[in-house]
Order: sequence, then structure tokens, then C-alpha cells
Amino acid sequence: EDQVTQSPEALRLQEGESSSLNCSYTVSGLRGLFWYRQDPGKGPEFLFTLYSAGEEKEKERLKATLTKKESFLHITAPKPEDSATYLCAVQAGTASKLTFGTGTRLQVTL
Amino acid sequence: NAGVTQTPKFQVLKTGQSMTLQCAQDMNHEYMSWYRQDPGMGLRLIHYSVGAGITDQGEVPNGYNVSRSTTEDFPLRLLSAAPSQTSVYFCASRRVEQYSPLHFGNGTRLTVT
Repeated sequence: EDQVTQSPEALRLQEGESSSLNCSYTVSGLRGLFWYRQDPGKGPEFLFTLYSAGEEKEKERLKATLTKKESFLHITAPKPEDSATYLCAVQAGTASKLTFGTGTRLQVTL
Repeated sequence: NAGVTQTPKFQVLKTGQSMTLQCAQDMNHEYMSWYRQDPGMGLRLIHYSVGAGITDQGEVPNGYNVSRSTTEDFPLRLLSAAPSQTSVYFCASRRVEQYSPLHFGNGTRLTVT
């Protein structure tokens, strides 16, 4: 059974204090790893797709990386508007469904 | 561009009542799906559809029905609501090509008393 574990559950950073969120996965035949951002009371918003180990994607202060066992979402010099829950999901084999982690709740303070 | 629209935003039901959660998308996506989100658990797939007239079960389908008569709409029916169905429900759609990202609506918060 596909499993996705995200850590930490919650993270509090000061503005400008860079850090990383972790998504470790156990799947049979990874086809894609997805990162989403979810604001309170809203649906998840797509950020990145990573397909193979060694791949990296960047968007503003966010950079996602992928290895054979885990993915990291690096946040450089975060701002309060980066506060949200970040979700990781994997798609494996021929299945069309995604398996989601439980998310990391990020709070960035002034 | 509206994207994925869900109604209602909030709903309270009594045990045993039935209701339909509405979902519509205007992106011409073939694939549509329903998830539920509960505290401490990842989003879990209820039902999905790869096109009009085609539906299939996800990992937690019991107590829910779906149909897909048009590309745009994918309603979720609760047949006889139970307290265990208290949750936030998200509809999501994507292009039919595998590994296309899902686009989510803003959810329906359902409470069953």
C-alpha cells in the first residue's frame, strides 16, 4: 500500500528564516509527486509536480526537490503570506488516484 | 475563469437525511473526483470519473453515490447521512492525461448530527 508521511506536522518560522519541509514516501513505481498549498477554508492549490529523482522545481521562494525516498520543499526567506498547510501527494503505477500526506502547517511571523 | 465550483459551502444534516453536494467545472476536464478531508488524515478519494457516463469507486465509497451525465458536473449524493460522514468534501478535476495536476474546489463543510 502506498504511504506518504510529512514532517514536521507544524512549523513556525520568523520572516526571513529559511527551512525545509519533508515528504517521505513508500510506493511501488512512483509516477509523480505533487506539492499543494492549502489556505484555511480553501481547497488545495497546485504548486509542483516532480517525476524523477534529482528533479527540482522552483517558484518564487519555494523549491521542491525529489530523491528516491523523499521530497523536500525548501522555503527561502519566507514571508507571512507563505503561511499555509503544505500537502504532498504521490501517484504510483497505473493507478489514477493520488495518495496524500497529512500536511505540514507552516506559520511565518513578523 | 471560475475553475471548480462547489455548493453549498456549509451544510448541517440530521442522521438519516439525504442530500447532494454539487460540483461543476468549466475547464473541460474529463477527470473529476471527490475527496473527503478529516483532521489528522490525508485527503481520501471517495469516487472518481474519467468521463461522462463513467464512474468508479475510490478508497472510501460506502454511503456515497455519484453519476456523471455531463463533462461539467459531478454531484455526490449522501444516501442516508451518518455522523461518520461529518467532514470537509472537496471536488477536484484534471485533464485526462495521467499525472496532470488536480484542480480543487473550495470545499463543502458537512456536519451530521
